[in-house]
Amino acid sequence: TQLLEQSPQFLSIQEGENLTVYCNSSSVFSSLQWYRQEPGEGPVLLVTVVTGGEVKKLKRLTFQFGDARKDSSLHITAAQPGDTGLYLCAGFVDKIIFGKGTRLHILP
Amino acid sequence: GAVVSQHPSRVICKSGTSVKIECRSLDFQATTMFWYRQFPKQSLMLMATSNEGSKATYEQGVEKDKFLINHASLTLSTLTVTSAHPEDSSFYICSADLGSTDTQYFGPGTRLTVL
Repeated sequence: TQLLEQSPQFLSIQEGENLTVYCNSSSVFSSLQWYRQEPGEGPVLLVTVVTGGEVKKLKRLTFQFGDARKDSSLHITAAQPGDTGLYLCAGFVDKIIFGKGTRLHILP
Repeated sequence: GAVVSQHPSRVICKSGTSVKIECRSLDFQATTMFWYRQFPKQSLMLMATSNEGSKATYEQGVEKDKFLINHASLTLSTLTVTSAHPEDSSFYICSADLGSTDTQYFGPGTRLTVL
């Protein structure tokens, strides 16, 4: 059974701090996506990573795909209240599977 | 990025009635669309894969006679929750991919409340 585990499940930190959330699996994925979802809305795609070891940056967000394409991390620098939301990773093999998400709350 | 819309955004219905939710790809054609449900503070659960012009593929445990999916065109898929009951209350989200990539683009979701 393919499983994507995200950690931590919940994270509450002060504005300005840095944080990293993780997405791990025993399966190898052809690609992995990160989404952010705000309450009452659908997930919004942040990034897709395809190559093992790939690093992508989106302003203060840095995404890394593991060398073996089984895991990924999302690092946020100087977190802002606007970063608050549910962060979901999703991996694709023959179909897309989602992790349970990391609920992030940035305190002003 | 690609835009996917859903209608309605919210619906409240009485127990026993049927509700139809529409999912449209606005600026691209989607051969495949996906339907998810999400319970409060949980992740997305894939219900079914909707293929244009053919029958939907349902995930294990999802009743195909209760959740009717029709994908009549390359830009529209509908989910009908038949004989809805309070336990069907949930956030239903559709998505579509561009066919050549693994990435899905999500609609804004439909909040269904069954009284």
